[in-house]
This record gives sequence, structure tokens and C-alpha cells, in this order.
Amino acid sequence: GIQVEQSPPDLILQEGANSTLRCNFSDSVNNLQWFHQNPWGQLINLFYIPSGTKQNGRLSATTVATERYSLLYISSSQTTDSGVYFCAVEYGNKLVFGAGTILRVKS
Amino acid sequence: GAVVSQHPSWVICKSGTSVKIECRSLDFQATTMFWYRQFPKQSLMLMATSNEGSKATYEQGVEKDKFLINHASLTLSTLTVTSAHPEDSSFYICSARPGALNTEAFFGQGTRLTVV
Repeated sequence: GIQVEQSPPDLILQEGANSTLRCNFSDSVNNLQWFHQNPWGQLINLFYIPSGTKQNGRLSATTVATERYSLLYISSSQTTDSGVYFCAVEYGNKLVFGAGTILRVKS
Repeated sequence: GAVVSQHPSWVICKSGTSVKIECRSLDFQATTMFWYRQFPKQSLMLMATSNEGSKATYEQGVEKDKFLINHASLTLSTLTVTSAHPEDSSFYICSARPGALNTEAFFGQGTRLTVV
């Protein structure tokens, strides 16, 4: 099956700092999504991005499908950005999740 | 975005009893829904694919008789954990897409199950 690897596994930022999260995948995929899981477990959709670049406020994402990776950029981080960030790729009919990046933003 | 609603948000049950979790697509129809399980500090693992009007497809290692899935309508799938044991305690999350393949997936709020 496909392997989805996220890095770094853990990240601590000072409020206001920028960060880049990475997602590598081992095979061609149909699409890719980024999620933020809040402390209550809810998965918040951030980006649906099979290829190219998208921006939404302080967040942006880039997927280079030919090189099998995606990046999530967080600028001017806030404490509310804390949580777990997952990338998930559609492989066949299924969404396969990476292990996640745990982000903690300190005030 | 599309809305997927899951109920209950949390449930505590006694060992040996069964628990039913509902997943509804509120503003779209979904011929396929997905059930995931997440243990503390781990990622989401797909348990099964729920197909409207037909049998669910289970992932390897998931017990069909223990995790009963019913997808009786285009907006409702249910997961029943039968004869629950403490090791079934986990966070269960459902997902659906408002379209066919290659469309964005949306997730319910999740159900935290504790078996005592």
C-alpha cells in the first residue's frame, strides 16, 4: 500500500512565527487534503489540493504531485493554531492519513 | 463546505453491551461513507467503507461481526459496536463526500466511546 509520511512529528512555535509542514507520499494519488484536528477531535478541512498552490488567510498549501509531496505553510502563528495537522491522500477509493504533526504555539 | 453530523459525541457503556453510532450527511447525498478509528495520540485508521444499499467493505483485521455497518439511506450510515469490551474504547469518526471519487471529504465530529 501507499506510505504517507509527515514531518516534523512535533513542532513548538512562539506566537507570530512561521512554519512549514511537509507530507511525502510513496505513490501517485488522486487527491490530497490537509486537516487540522482540534482538541475536541473535530477534523477541520484546510485544503483540498491535488496539485498547485492555494491560500486561505494565514495558511497556504502547495502540492507537487510529480514529486509526491505537499507543504502546508502557517504564517504569523497564533495559539489557536495549536493541534494536530494531518495530510491525507486518496489512494484508490480510500483516504490514507499520515501520522500527523503536533503543533504547539506558545504565547 | 458540506456538513457531516455524527451522534452521539460521546458514550459510556458497560462491557458486553452494544452501542450504535450514527453518521448523517446533512446537505448532500452520499452513496459511500467511511468509518475511521483513532487511538490516543495516533492517526486515523480506516475501518470500513459503507455502501448504500449493499454490504460494507471492511479493512483487513477489522471484525465484521463486531463492527456492524448499515447504510440504509443516502444520508445515513450507522456503526454498531457489538458486545463491546474495554479494548474497543476509542474515537470513531465518519466521513463522506458530496460527490464521486476525487472530491473533497468531510468528517463528522467523532464519537468517543468508553467501555467500562
